[in-house]
Amino acid sequence: EPEVTQTPSHQVTQMGQEVILRCVPISNHLYFYWYRQILGQKVEFLVSFYNNEISEKSEIFDDQFSVERPDGSNFTLKIRSTKLEDSAMYFCASTGTDQPQHFGDGTRLSIL
Amino acid sequence: DAKTTQPPSMDCAEGRAANLPCNHSTISGNEYVYWYRQIHSQGPQYIIHGLKNNETNEMASLIITEDRKSSTLILPHATLRDTAVYYCIVRVANYGNKLVFGAGTILRVKS
Repeated sequence: EPEVTQTPSHQVTQMGQEVILRCVPISNHLYFYWYRQILGQKVEFLVSFYNNEISEKSEIFDDQFSVERPDGSNFTLKIRSTKLEDSAMYFCASTGTDQPQHFGDGTRLSIL
Repeated sequence: DAKTTQPPSMDCAEGRAANLPCNHSTISGNEYVYWYRQIHSQGPQYIIHGLKNNETNEMASLIITEDRKSSTLILPHATLRDTAVYYCIVRVANYGNKLVFGAGTILRVKS
């Protein structure tokens, strides 16, 4: 069964550094998402992406965040200058026509 | 999207049916009920969804009351691997929409 894959599984970064989280959505899917989950808290929506542009973003998704689909297969989340509070699990999801969202297993981001 | 209410936790004996309730009394006519689960900080896993008819797949059954104000997810023969947080989410089935997760129900399956 097709899967959403995310790399790396764990990323450790110094505060203030840029980080890029990578996702390969399911190949025929059209909508792409990023969510995050701070330890012990709810899964929170960050951003959705369709037709090469952001379709919706949350208040969390400020100017420090950006998303890109640089080629036909990858979907990336960049955090320009990381803060301690960016430490979380980041989940990528994708969906196609009339299908539920499927999630990857996440990237654990640790900011030191 | 309508708000949902779930019990914070439930226990179930291994091999027995697990029945997870969800209240969604403000659900609109065009909103679906979705169920996801999350096993130990893995990515949320889709289980099932429905509009008004009961639904069944290889993982679970979904029973929606006639007035659509509540539903029950049924895992017919729970195993230890079904221990997870289960989320009931109501949303319009436009596949571009985000999912809004609540706290869910922690299901503990015990041997």
